[in-house]
Amino acid sequence: GAGVSQSPSNKVTEKGKDVELRCDPISGHTALYWYRQSLGQGLEFLIYFQGNSAPDKSGLPSDRFSAERTGGSVSTLTIQRTQQEDSAVYLCASSLGRGIHETQYFGPGTRLLVL
Amino acid sequence: GENVEQHPSTLSVQEGDSAVIKCTYSDSASNYFPWYKQELGKRPQLIIDIRSNVGEKKDQRIAVTLNKTAKHFSLHITETQPEDSAVYFCAASGGTGRRALTFGSGTRLQVQP
Repeated sequence: GAGVSQSPSNKVTEKGKDVELRCDPISGHTALYWYRQSLGQGLEFLIYFQGNSAPDKSGLPSDRFSAERTGGSVSTLTIQRTQQEDSAVYLCASSLGRGIHETQYFGPGTRLLVL
Repeated sequence: GENVEQHPSTLSVQEGDSAVIKCTYSDSASNYFPWYKQELGKRPQLIIDIRSNVGEKKDQRIAVTLNKTAKHFSLHITETQPEDSAVYFCAASGGTGRRALTFGSGTRLQVQP
């Protein structure tokens, strides 16, 4: 079946502009995660959605970052007033959402470059 | 919060040799430890995971060991092949019911033919 998809695959923007990144999780997966991977670094947790529960926003680095998940499926990560340090690959993952020890399946990522 | 440290950052081995990557974690409540492989320009993919009620798990040429007392876990790859060349990430989760993964900084494995 289809895996996690993300769009756009690449995004170049100017400092100060807003960007929106989209994630389509695997059908039937109720848990959705956003991570950020800076060049040559590990993955950094940003935000987690589980069903209709309040999201875990503990990883968001500043109030310029926000995310929504509409209808329990597609998610959008928004970065306002982008800064050069926001340049990274933004990865989305999803899992079944039935337990704690679940495989997270990653999307291909969106490579964001802020000039 | 959880902190995961991973060593070495780079590892070069000859084809057929074994490779070992080690990780330590800080939150004694963490109870799920997956390993992901990321090839250049591709998404991370789960290769093996272990839960805290198990000390060792093996899948063909790949094995993971967990020492809860010392709070460290390791990935062992035997009979390495050139296609094993990639970046490997360890991760931990489960502390206080947390599902989000805390990742190590990655190990770039190069298998020389």
